[in-house]
Amino acid sequence: DAKTTQPTSMDCAEGRAANLPCNHSTISGNEYVYWYRQIHSQGPQYIIHGLKNNETNEMASLIITEDRKSSTLILPHATLRDTAVYYCILSSLNSGGSNYKLTFGKGTLLTVNP
Amino acid sequence: KAGVTQTPRYLIKTRGQQVTLSCSPISGHRSVSWYQQTPGQGLQFLFEYFSETQRNKGNFPGRFSGRQFSNSRSEMNVSTLELGDSALYLCASSPDRGMDTQYFGPGTRLTVL
Repeated sequence: DAKTTQPTSMDCAEGRAANLPCNHSTISGNEYVYWYRQIHSQGPQYIIHGLKNNETNEMASLIITEDRKSSTLILPHATLRDTAVYYCILSSLNSGGSNYKLTFGKGTLLTVNP
Repeated sequence: KAGVTQTPRYLIKTRGQQVTLSCSPISGHRSVSWYQQTPGQGLQFLFEYFSETQRNKGNFPGRFSGRQFSNSRSEMNVSTLELGDSALYLCASSPDRGMDTQYFGPGTRLTVL
């Protein structure tokens, strides 16, 4: 079962920042927070990941609370092409030392409106 | 670098048939994982291959199998197809250096009639 909780859907106006929350209250110390998104019927696209510190890349920013029990993905200037299902996922190394399995929940359907 | 490629993109089969799907990982990636996505169950992990060996497996029946070749390309086979096998089958590759990000292909849409 997925260990994260996300709202089912959110709306955002084009050009505004989209803030997508994720709760992961049972996160363990070695688990990373990953965000992927999936545009209809395409493969999931990696967005960003982090462990403790906030992270930023060309696509988005990831804010992780100090207790690591929740995080927020921020798309600074949402466009119509950002309409997708966004998945917040916890992942850690397995005993073999690799991150091989992602457990997807139902995600948040973000709709960016013109 | 080219991304993960999957062939075919679309496939229609009938119940009882078998099917083979192919995945070519990003160059230099050695780990390939397979996922099944259906509207009811969402994205579920099938299995993972590394160095031609199945290293990890999800909770799917033995009708679902796979293999990996020496060039890291992977195939997935489903035998005795059932209607419920209709799904989007996704593969993801990673370099396999610990917490490496997995990169997904576009998927193969399988319809079983």
